Amino acid sequence: AQKVTQAQTEISVVEKEDVTLDCVYETRDTTYYLFWYKQPPSGELVFLIRRNSFDEQNEISGRYSWNFQKSTSSFNFTITASQVVDSAVYFCALSGGSNYKLTFGKGTLLTVNP
Amino acid sequence: DVKVTQSSRYLVKRTGEKVFLECVQDMDHENMFWYRQDPGLGLRLIYFSYDVKMKEKGDIPEGYSVSREKKERFSLILESASTNQTSMYLCASSQGQFNQPQHFGDGTRLSIL
Repeated sequence: AQKVTQAQTEISVVEKEDVTLDCVYETRDTTYYLFWYKQPPSGELVFLIRRNSFDEQNEISGRYSWNFQKSTSSFNFTITASQVVDSAVYFCALSGGSNYKLTFGKGTLLTVNP
Repeated sequence: DVKVTQSSRYLVKRTGEKVFLECVQDMDHENMFWYRQDPGLGLRLIYFSYDVKMKEKGDIPEGYSVSREKKERFSLILESASTNQTSMYLCASSQGQFNQPQHFGDGTRLSIL
């Protein structure tokens, strides 16, 4: 069975601080994909990034970066110089094997205060 | 850009009513999904469909059914609404296999009184 754990339920930071959101996963599949989604207060889940199990390169996109480590089954997400607009619930998700399903973590509510 | 449109943003219904939630996607995706989102429980998959007229149960299908008569439209049906079905409902679509991201609609906040 697949499982995604986001141990941080809520995080509160002050604008311009760096913040890391943790994601730990469990799977028996050798080929799998990891995703991060953002859900702002408006409600729509927005896809941020996908990473496959064979690619452990870190990824940077502007103020966002992702650190994938198979050895610790983690796929952590860092926001550098956070802004108020980053306030949202962030979900980590996993898919793999022969099914179409995404297994989501329970999400981390990030609040960035001015 | 992929567009997934859910028919209602907010909906209020009464216990025992038959409720239809509609979802339409405009990118010719094969796969469509219905989730519910509840505080502390995250997103839970209700049903999904990988082709027209095909459906598969997700993790919490009890009390729900679905219909996919056309590729672009996926309907969630609450046969006899109950108060424990008050929730946020999210529809998503994706292309191809499990390596593709799902694209979500804005959600329908459903209240059953």
